[in-house]
Amino acid sequence: EVQLVQSGAEVKKPGESLRISCKGSGYRFTNYWIGWVRQMPGKDLEWLGLIYPGGSDSRYSPSFQGQITLSADKSISTAYLQWSSLKASDTALYYCARRGGSGSHFDYWGQGTLVTVSS
Amino acid sequence: QSVLTQPPSVSATPGQKVTISCSGSSANIGNNYVSWYQQLPGTAPKLLIYDNDERPSGIPDRFSGSKSGTSATLGITGLQTGDEADYYCGAWDSSLSAVVFGGGTKLTVL
Repeated sequence: EVQLVQSGAEVKKPGESLRISCKGSGYRFTNYWIGWVRQMPGKDLEWLGLIYPGGSDSRYSPSFQGQITLSADKSISTAYLQWSSLKASDTALYYCARRGGSGSHFDYWGQGTLVTVSS
Repeated sequence: QSVLTQPPSVSATPGQKVTISCSGSSANIGNNYVSWYQQLPGTAPKLLIYDNDERPSGIPDRFSGSKSGTSATLGITGLQTGDEADYYCGAWDSSLSAVVFGGGTKLTVL
């Protein structure tokens, strides 16, 4: 069974750094891109970017380029989303999701990680 | 303002059929595949339709997708109260070099 399990909720202060994780299981982790999607409270879905664990190739949404960093450790089947300096506007629910094949769709999703940034 | 445009809400009664539209442009829907997701309250999105009209295994055939030009449509027949959720369309946007989503449509089954 394909599963993506994300790390737990985080509460941080503005300016702090953070890395959240997404561990894949039930499939060959290095064969599929992992995407990250943001959902601000009560809002719609926003695509942040993609990382290919097999080669660490990454693609960023122009809206988030420079604000986040995507990485992966294929030895432990885990992808990461990190910030070097959080802002209050980063408060949101963040999902990782497996990109299905060669398409732009996401066929399996993590349970989400709530990030709260508040002074 | 989302790149893909969906109606904010639709409603119907149990057993009926409902359609949800998703409008875009030649940069996204017009020249790329469309996918649809269901997000039940408090849960992660779930893939319903990919590549315009394909259903992943386990998705009942009550759910269907279609595309024409720069618009796509999700159809749900035999509505159930358990179908109450937010529905999102998504596609690759070649101009933005990004995956784009619609603003979501809240389905109410009265």
